[in-house]
Amino acid sequence: AQSVSQHNHHVILSEAASLELGCNYSYGGTVNLFWYVQYPGQHLQLLLKYFSGDPLVKGIKGFEAEFIKSKFSFNLRKPSVQWSDTAEYFCAVNARTGGSYIPTFGRGTSLIVHP
Amino acid sequence: NAGVTQTPKFRVLKTGQSMTLLCAQDMNHEYMYWYRQDPGMGLRLIHYSVGEGTTAKGEVPDGYNVSRLKKQNFLLGLESAAPSQTSVYFCASSYSNRGGYTFGSGTRLTVV
Repeated sequence: AQSVSQHNHHVILSEAASLELGCNYSYGGTVNLFWYVQYPGQHLQLLLKYFSGDPLVKGIKGFEAEFIKSKFSFNLRKPSVQWSDTAEYFCAVNARTGGSYIPTFGRGTSLIVHP
Repeated sequence: NAGVTQTPKFRVLKTGQSMTLLCAQDMNHEYMYWYRQDPGMGLRLIHYSVGEGTTAKGEVPDGYNVSRLKKQNFLLGLESAAPSQTSVYFCASSYSNRGGYTFGSGTRLTVV
């Protein structure tokens, strides 16, 4: 079965610092990759997604992610974080299992940005 | 556009009681999902549906049942609630089985 690992459970940064959140998955076939953000008390919102093509994906709010197939990784980056980026971030993989695509989420990374 | 609407938003149940959570989407999406979110566990898939009249088990289906009688609605049922089912439940829908989900705002369920 596929799995998704997010290595950083809690990250604390100051405003203007750079951010990189790690995401690795275990699945050898074709995958679709996602990053979602959950602001306090809210539902998950899609930040960016990768289906195919350019492995460097740009999303909303200045976030980007790079798909490195050889490393089974899809790390999220932002060059300069803001206080408003305080949230929980989830990596997700959608992989073909049997006849269906089954989505799997990582356990999440809690990001706190100090002003 | 309403997107994905979940009702109720909050509920407290006593052990052994039953209830149904409703998820409604107005985007004509084929695929719908029920997740539970617990601290430190991320989101775990309970059941999903690939179209009207179809349902399938996810990662943690025990203690739950679902129905998709209409394309726009996906119901999650708890027949006999247990404290272990205390959680936040999210519904999601997608136009494609490849993903890109739209989530509802969640239902916070407490079983005492």
